[in-house]
Amino acid sequence: AQSVTQLGSHVSVSEGALVLLRCNYSSSVPPYLFWYVQYPNQGLQLLLKYTTGATLVKGINGFEAEFKKSETSFHLTKPSAHMSDAAEYFCAVSGYNQAGTALIFGKGTTLSVSS
Amino acid sequence: DSGVTQTPKHLITATGQRVTLRCSPRSGDLSVYWYQQSLDQGLQFLIQYYNGEERAKGNILERFSAQQFPDLHSELNLSSLELGDSALYFCASSVSRTYNEQFFGPGTRLTVL
Repeated sequence: AQSVTQLGSHVSVSEGALVLLRCNYSSSVPPYLFWYVQYPNQGLQLLLKYTTGATLVKGINGFEAEFKKSETSFHLTKPSAHMSDAAEYFCAVSGYNQAGTALIFGKGTTLSVSS
Repeated sequence: DSGVTQTPKHLITATGQRVTLRCSPRSGDLSVYWYQQSLDQGLQFLIQYYNGEERAKGNILERFSAQQFPDLHSELNLSSLELGDSALYFCASSVSRTYNEQFFGPGTRLTVL
């Protein structure tokens, strides 16, 4: 079975500050990990993904995440927040198993950015 | 624009009714997934189809069903609707039935009154 826990349902930062959104996962098979962003009244957009190989992955809009197997974590970071980063962020895990390749999502973290 | 289209964008109906949501995957994608997003349950996987065949089931109610047609578009049928079925329903597509990143459509917002 697979699951995702996102620590903190709401994170607030100032513009220019570091963004850190936390994600821990549980998986009985080698995980594929994803971060998606959802802007109000829109669908989900892929920010970045980890499959195999390099554990530090870079995504769009300056975001990156590091896969740490020993900590079962996949935290999302951005060095300097921008007002346009305000949105809801979802961490998801997937892996090829009997359940197919469906994404199992965390409950989401709402990021607020103040000027 | 992800290339995944969903219709309608909004749907308002009454309890006990039946509705059909439609999804067209990105060109070339064979796998279609349906997800439900609600305030209390979050984003939940409902069902996956690959090239016309059911591939995996998640937390899909017996009142709900889906199919994927030869042209690869998919429909999600929701029947005997209840107030609690009000949610945002997303379709996503990917190239294959094994791992691949999923591209999400804009969603259909269903309101059951």
